[in-house]
Amino acid sequence: DGGITQSPKYLFRKEGQNVTLSCEQNLNHDAMYWYRQDPGQGLRLIYYSQIVNDFQKGDIAEGYSVSREKKESFPLTVTSAQKNPTAFYLCASSVGQGAVYEQYFGPGTRLTVT
Amino acid sequence: KNEVEQSPQNLTAQEGEFITINCSYSVGISALHWLQQHPGGGIVSLFMLSSGKKKHGRLIATINIQEKHSSLHITASHPRDSAVYICAVRVLFGGGADGLTFGKGTHLIIQP
Repeated sequence: DGGITQSPKYLFRKEGQNVTLSCEQNLNHDAMYWYRQDPGQGLRLIYYSQIVNDFQKGDIAEGYSVSREKKESFPLTVTSAQKNPTAFYLCASSVGQGAVYEQYFGPGTRLTVT
Repeated sequence: KNEVEQSPQNLTAQEGEFITINCSYSVGISALHWLQQHPGGGIVSLFMLSSGKKKHGRLIATINIQEKHSSLHITASHPRDSAVYICAVRVLFGGGADGLTFGKGTHLIIQP
C-alpha cells in the first residue's frame, strides 16, 4: 500500500528540547511539505521540498528546520527557538503540475510541549 | 484578510438535510480542492475542480472561476459525514513550484 507515514501519532516533550517529527512516503513523489494546524486556523506551510537536497521556507519557518537527504523522507525538527510548538503537524507530498496537481497527506503528529 | 474564506465556520444539521459549504478566494490559479479531515486528523482529498461541477456519491462540488467561488454540497447527510471540510486553492510558490493555500475549514456535525 502506498502512502505517507508519520510517527508517532502523539509526541510529548519538555520545553527547551528539540524534537524531530518523521515523515516517510513510498509514493515516489518528488515534492513534500510540512504544515502546522492550530485550532480555528487553516493549514500553514512550514517548509517544502521540490527535490532531494533542496528545500524552501514556507510562511512560518522560524523555529523549524528540515532536511531532504532521501526522496522518501522529509523530517521536521522543532527547535527550542519555536515559541509556541504545541500543535498538530501534517506532512504531505504531491504529484503532477497545473490542472492535475494533487497533494496527499499523512495522518499527522500531535506535538505537546510543556 | 484570509485569502481563502469559507462559510460557515461551524454547521450542525439533522440527518438527511441538504448541506452547503461555501468557499471564496482572492488568490490562486484555476484549480480548487475540497478536502475532508476526520476527528483523528487525517486528511483525504474529495475533489479537485478547475471548472463546472463534479459529483461523487452524495457529494457535489461546483466552481465559478470568474467569481472565484466554490460550493460543496452533501445530499441526504448522514452522521458519518461529520468532519471538517477544507477548501484549498492552487497557488504558485516562489520559484514556480505548485502548492496549496487553505481555508480555515468548516466543522460539520450531522446529528442522528
